[in-house]
Amino acid sequence: DAGVTQSPTHLIKTRGQQVTLRCSPKSGHDTVSWYQQALGQGPQFIFQYYEEEERQRGNFPDRFSGHQFPNYSSELNVNALLLGDSALYLCASSPQGAYTEAFFGQGTRLTVV
Amino acid sequence: QKEVEQDPGPLSVPEGAIVSLNCTYSNSAFQYFMWYRQYSRKGPELLMYTYSSGNKEDGRFTAQVDKSSKYISLFIRDSQPSDSATYLCAMGGAGSYQLTFGKGTKLSVIP
Repeated sequence: DAGVTQSPTHLIKTRGQQVTLRCSPKSGHDTVSWYQQALGQGPQFIFQYYEEEERQRGNFPDRFSGHQFPNYSSELNVNALLLGDSALYLCASSPQGAYTEAFFGQGTRLTVV
Repeated sequence: QKEVEQDPGPLSVPEGAIVSLNCTYSNSAFQYFMWYRQYSRKGPELLMYTYSSGNKEDGRFTAQVDKSSKYISLFIRDSQPSDSATYLCAMGGAGSYQLTFGKGTKLSVIP
C-alpha cells in the first residue's frame, strides 16, 4: 500500500505566481482534505473534497481552490501567491464515514520568494 | 481563546522515562480525539484515535480523554530516542469534517 502520495515534495515560486499541488489518496479512501502547516504551527484545514465536490471549507481566501478527479486524486491550486503562503501543504485521505481517521502524505513544502 | 491549546515545549526527557503530553479544548462539540506524531520534514502519522471519555492503550502509548474537563492526554511509557518528534493533538466534531489541531509539542528523548 503506497499510502498518501503528494507531488512535488518541494517548490519555490515567486510572489504573484500560481501553483498546483497534487495528491493521490491511500487505496480504498475516497475523501481528500488539504491542510496548511506554517513553521512551528499545527495544520490548518483548507478544504475537503468528496465525490468531486468541495464539501467543507476552512477560513482561507478564494485564492485557494481545489479539484477532485473521478479516481479520487486531488489538486490544490493557489493563485496570486503571497510570501505568507510559504508553508508545508498536507493532503490527508480518509474513507467515507471515517473522515476523522485521516492519513497524511509527506507534504509539499512551498517557498514563496 | 484558541479552540485547542497545546504546550509547544520543547520537552526533553531521558530514555526510559514516562512522557505525558496534554491538550485542552474549549469547543464542547468535539467528539473525536486523535494524536499524531510528526518527524522533522515529514507528514503527521496517526498514533491514536479515541471517541469517548476514558483510556485507550496501544503498546507503549495510552490516550486519555476527559470530556468533562475538556482535557486529553497521551502517555508514552519506556520512551525511546526514536520517539523524538513533534506530537500533535487533533479533534473533530459532529457536523464538521475538519480536524482542529494543537500547535504540537516537540519531544526529545535523550539516550
